[in-house]
Amino acid sequence: EAQVTQNPRYLITVTGKKLTVTCSQNMNHEYMSWYRQDPGLGLRQIYYSMNVEVTDKGDVPEGYKVSRKEKRNFPLILESPSPNQTSLYFCASSLAGAGGEQYFGPGTRLTVT
Amino acid sequence: DAKTTQPPSMDCAEGRAANLPCNHSTISGNEYVYWYRQIHSQGPQYIIHGLKNNETNEMASLIITEDRKSSTLILPHATLRDTAVYYCIVRVPDGNDMRFGAGTRLTVKP
Repeated sequence: EAQVTQNPRYLITVTGKKLTVTCSQNMNHEYMSWYRQDPGLGLRQIYYSMNVEVTDKGDVPEGYKVSRKEKRNFPLILESPSPNQTSLYFCASSLAGAGGEQYFGPGTRLTVT
Repeated sequence: DAKTTQPPSMDCAEGRAANLPCNHSTISGNEYVYWYRQIHSQGPQYIIHGLKNNETNEMASLIITEDRKSSTLILPHATLRDTAVYYCIVRVPDGNDMRFGAGTRLTVKP
């Protein structure tokens, strides 16, 4: 089944404790992206990757890192999480840039205390 | 900034057609209209997209006005499971930006 998976689905952590949210897709998509969703602010793009070893900032990249060492994986790294990073995070992938149909993961709900 | 304007909410009776409007008066010639929906807090789901011709797939129909300044997503026979937030997005296919606005919260009622 074609899908985007994210882990963990729920995470509660404390300020400053490094964490990684994994994202994997099995559709051989070149393009992958991370979004965060907050009440009243909608979905905002954090980082995106056009292909392996190619990443770039989205609209809200501060406090996040990403890497794209393999085509299927695009982890989101929070080196020193802060409470304002409490959010619902979505990973997405598509075949050709962001113009193709984007497939979204199920989401990761992160709480930073 | 999102380049689209959608009503914040709409209701529809189960079994009836749901017509969701979207205004995109500043759309450029090479920009497509995309529709996604998000059910509760699940990941957004692609519905349909088009440039200037009307489009139909198994989920919905997309009607784009001749001047391309507005469009309507039609769910022909809405079910309770179609209750969701529907997002209209305009963008170029090879660009990177996918800017979601506030969308329209559609509630399908029995």
